[in-house]
Amino acid sequence: EVHLEESGGGLVQPGGSLRLSCGASGFTFSSYWMCWVRQAPGKGLERVANINSDGSILYYMDSLKGRVTISRDNAENSVFLQMNSLRAEDTAVYYCTRDQGGGAMDVWGQGTTVIVSS
Amino acid sequence: QSALTQPASVSGSPGQSITISCSGTSSDIGAYKYVHWYQQHPGKAPKLIIYDVSERPSGVSSRFSGSKSGNTASLTISGLQAEDEADYYCSSYTRRATWVFGGGTDLTVL
Repeated sequence: EVHLEESGGGLVQPGGSLRLSCGASGFTFSSYWMCWVRQAPGKGLERVANINSDGSILYYMDSLKGRVTISRDNAENSVFLQMNSLRAEDTAVYYCTRDQGGGAMDVWGQGTTVIVSS
Repeated sequence: QSALTQPASVSGSPGQSITISCSGTSSDIGAYKYVHWYQQHPGKAPKLIIYDVSERPSGVSSRFSGSKSGNTASLTISGLQAEDEADYYCSSYTRRATWVFGGGTDLTVL
């Protein structure tokens, strides 16, 4: 069964850092682009970052550039999102997703919640 | 403000058909076939229901269909069922090599 599972969310103070992890199973992880998408409480979806299959092509949402880094470990079937200088507006559920091609995200994890608050 | 414009809410009765529009520009929807639709039930992760304007993933009901005309994409749900009550989001690739979402549409089945 194709599966994604996120971890690493939690409560962090403004200015703090978090590293989100996503473990994949049930498919050839190294063949797919992977993404992080977030959803603030009561709000819509935002594509935070993408990484291509070998990690050589990265995409970041404009408002997060310089504060987040996406990476992957194909040997461990995992993708990561390092978030620094966190702000209250970064509070959201963060989803790990698989991009089947053309930006269509066909597999989603259950999400991990990040709360930025003092 | 989202880059793509969707109606905040739509409603329909069981058995009816509804259409949700997603308005963009010649730099996103009008430029590419990479327009996708997601369904999200409360408290759940989104689910891909239409990709590349009109393609349906395996396992998605044929009651869901997608189309595009100019800078506007549309999602049509026919034979509306109670389980279709959810939020729906469109997404498109853009000429700036970014992806954008619509603000989401809340579908109510009366």
